[in-house]
Amino acid sequence: DAGVIQSPRHEVTEMGQEVTLRCKPISGHNSLFWYRQTMMRGLELLIYFNNNVPIDDSGMPEDRFSAKMPNASFSTLKIQPSEPRDSAVYFCASSSRRSASYEQYFGPGTRLTVT
Amino acid sequence: DAKTTQPNSMESNEEEPVHLPCNHSTISGTDYIHWYRQLPSQGPEYVIHGLTSNVNNRMASLAIAEDRKSSTLILHRATLRDAAVYYCILRPYNQGGKLIFGQGTELSVKP
Repeated sequence: DAGVIQSPRHEVTEMGQEVTLRCKPISGHNSLFWYRQTMMRGLELLIYFNNNVPIDDSGMPEDRFSAKMPNASFSTLKIQPSEPRDSAVYFCASSSRRSASYEQYFGPGTRLTVT
Repeated sequence: DAKTTQPNSMESNEEEPVHLPCNHSTISGTDYIHWYRQLPSQGPEYVIHGLTSNVNNRMASLAIAEDRKSSTLILHRATLRDAAVYYCILRPYNQGGKLIFGQGTELSVKP
C-alpha cells in the first residue's frame, strides 16, 4: 500500500494567491483528517470527514479556508486568498472506522510558504 | 476536550528503557488513551492505545494507572531511531476518531 499521498510536497506562493492542497487517503479508509502544524501552535486539527461528509470543521481558522471530499479517494484543502500566517506544514491523515483503534495514518505533509 | 500534561522534553541513553509519563486527571470513563510519535520531518505515527488495562505491542507498552488519571508509555530498549516527539492524546469514544494533539514530549536518545 502506498500510504496517504499528499501533493504538492512543497508550495511557495505569494500573498493573495489561491493555494490548493491535495490528499489521497489509503484505499478502504472512510475517515479523513486535515491538520496544520506550526512551531507556535503545534499540530491542529482543521477538519475531518466520515464517508466523504464533513463532520467537524470547527478547527478551520476562517472563511479563507475550505475543504472538500468529492469521493472516497480524494480530498482538497483550499486557501483563498493566502496570507503569510498560513505558512505551515499541512498533514492529511486517514483511518478506518472499522478499526478498533481508529489508528490514523498520516501523509508526508505539504510545506506551504506564503511570502 | 479532556487535557493531557506531558514533560516538554526527556533524555535517554541508547538501549536503556524509557518511561514517558502523561497526566490526564480530567479523563472521562469513555476516553481512550492514545499515543502517537512524530519523527523529525515526518507525519505522526500511531504507537499504541488503551482504555483501562495495560497494553503491549511490538513498538511499546502502555501502563495505565488504576484510576486512569495518568499513564506511561514504555519503550523497552531505546534506539537512536526512537528520538521523536511523543504525544499522549485522549480520544472520546463517540467523536469518530477525532484526535486533539498537545505539545508532546521531545525524546532525545544519546548513543
